[in-house]
Amino acid sequence: GDQVEQSPSALSLHEGTGSALRCNFTTTMRAVQWFQQNSRGSLINLFYLASGTKENGRLKSTFNSKESYSTLHIRDAQLEDSGTYFCAAERGSNAKLTFGKGTKLSVKS
Amino acid sequence: EAAVTQSPRSKVAVTGGKVTLSCHQTNNHDYMYWYRQDTGHGLRLIHYSYVADSTEKGDIPDGYKASRPSQENFSLILELASLSQTAVYFCASSPHNNNQAPLFGEGTRLSVL
Repeated sequence: GDQVEQSPSALSLHEGTGSALRCNFTTTMRAVQWFQQNSRGSLINLFYLASGTKENGRLKSTFNSKESYSTLHIRDAQLEDSGTYFCAAERGSNAKLTFGKGTKLSVKS
Repeated sequence: EAAVTQSPRSKVAVTGGKVTLSCHQTNNHDYMYWYRQDTGHGLRLIHYSYVADSTEKGDIPDGYKASRPSQENFSLILELASLSQTAVYFCASSPHNNNQAPLFGEGTRLSVL
């Protein structure tokens, strides 16, 4: 089965609202990375965490390696936040990433 | 500035033809990776390398070869391109010290006809 289970697969938000994306891991992961893929297909690195919580503007991410999950919180959503969000987890010391299937976020006015 | 540069950015190839995708990094990173992304899905690891002149198989290596002639350069080779290899390909690099995030290139869109 998939080692990285990402949910939800799709999410619709109105501007100014917020929500959380989640990734569950079926095996111990060393670190997690969150990306936004924009309409041009580029992967924008949002966060890289080996543990704990990081915050950047309206985004906050947490990685709990003991309980095998990570979350990405978006608050005060803006139209430009639309896109597909991926989590990717490092399985070992060579930084190989296993990706979730993504969350397609649509922010509407 | 740290960078991973892929070339070409897009390519159309014929079934059975040979395709080479190139990746160049200026980050002095030891590790380099090739991933593919199919429409509507996440990325999957094809091959990776942790030192020049050595490559390792990733999760989906069949139909692909890789070459790491120097620390800066990592190529992905499709000897006999097939329709199923139509995808977007991403290259990434990472330092040996794993407390830093891997850096990704902009992707190469490959269409095999």
